[in-house]
Amino acid sequence: DVKVTQSSRYLVKRTGEKVFLECVQDMDHENMFWYRQDPGLGLRLIYFSYDVKMKEKGDIPEGYSVSREKKERFSLILESASTNQTSMYLCATTSRLSSYNEQFFGPGTRLTVL
Amino acid sequence: GENVEQHPSTLSVQEGDSAVIKCTYSDSASNYFPWYKQELGKRPQLIIDIRSNVGEKKDQRIAVTLNKTAKHFSLHITETQPEDSAVYFCAASKGSNYQLIWGAGTKLIIKP
Repeated sequence: DVKVTQSSRYLVKRTGEKVFLECVQDMDHENMFWYRQDPGLGLRLIYFSYDVKMKEKGDIPEGYSVSREKKERFSLILESASTNQTSMYLCATTSRLSSYNEQFFGPGTRLTVL
Repeated sequence: GENVEQHPSTLSVQEGDSAVIKCTYSDSASNYFPWYKQELGKRPQLIIDIRSNVGEKKDQRIAVTLNKTAKHFSLHITETQPEDSAVYFCAASKGSNYQLIWGAGTKLIIKP
C-alpha cells in the first residue's frame, strides 16, 4: 500500500514568511507532484519532479520553488507567502515504471496566509 | 497544450437515479483517461480509468465511456447512493511518463 504523508494538515502563516511544505512517500516512486486545489479550479500543477534533483515547472509556478534532495521527499517552498497563496496543497506520486499512471495523493495541507 | 473541460460543475440527483459527468479533451494524442473521487476532507482517489483502445469499461455501479473521434469521455454512476456524494475529477494523459491534465471537478450531491 502506497503511503504518502505531508508534514502538516493545517498551517497558518503571515504575509512575507517563508513557508516549507514537505511530502514523503515510502513506495520508491520516481515521480512526485505538487498541486494546489481551489474551489471551481480543480487541481492545478505547481511543480513536478521525475527524479532526485530534477524539477519541472507546472502551470502555476510563480511564487513557489521546490527541492528534491532524496527520492522519497519533495518539498514545496513559498519564498514570501502572500494572501493569494491561501489554499489546499496536495502532493502526489506515481511510478514511472508502471504502465498505469495512477497518482497517489497525500492528505493535503490547508495553508492560510494572514 | 492539452486542455480538459468538465461538465457540469455541480450535479444534484435523487438517490437511486443515475448520474453522468462529461469531459472533453483537446490533444488527440491523449490515450489514458482516469476518474478520481474526492470525498469531503479526504484525498482524491482513483475509481476507474480507461485507455484509448477501449470504448467502455465497467466496475459494478460505475462505468466510463470514451469517444476518441469526438474527444470526449464520460463517467456513469447507476443506482446512486449517499456515499457517492463527492467531487469527481476527470483527467487525460498521453502515457505514464506524462503528467495528468485535470478537469475542474464536479460536485455530485445525492438527495435522499
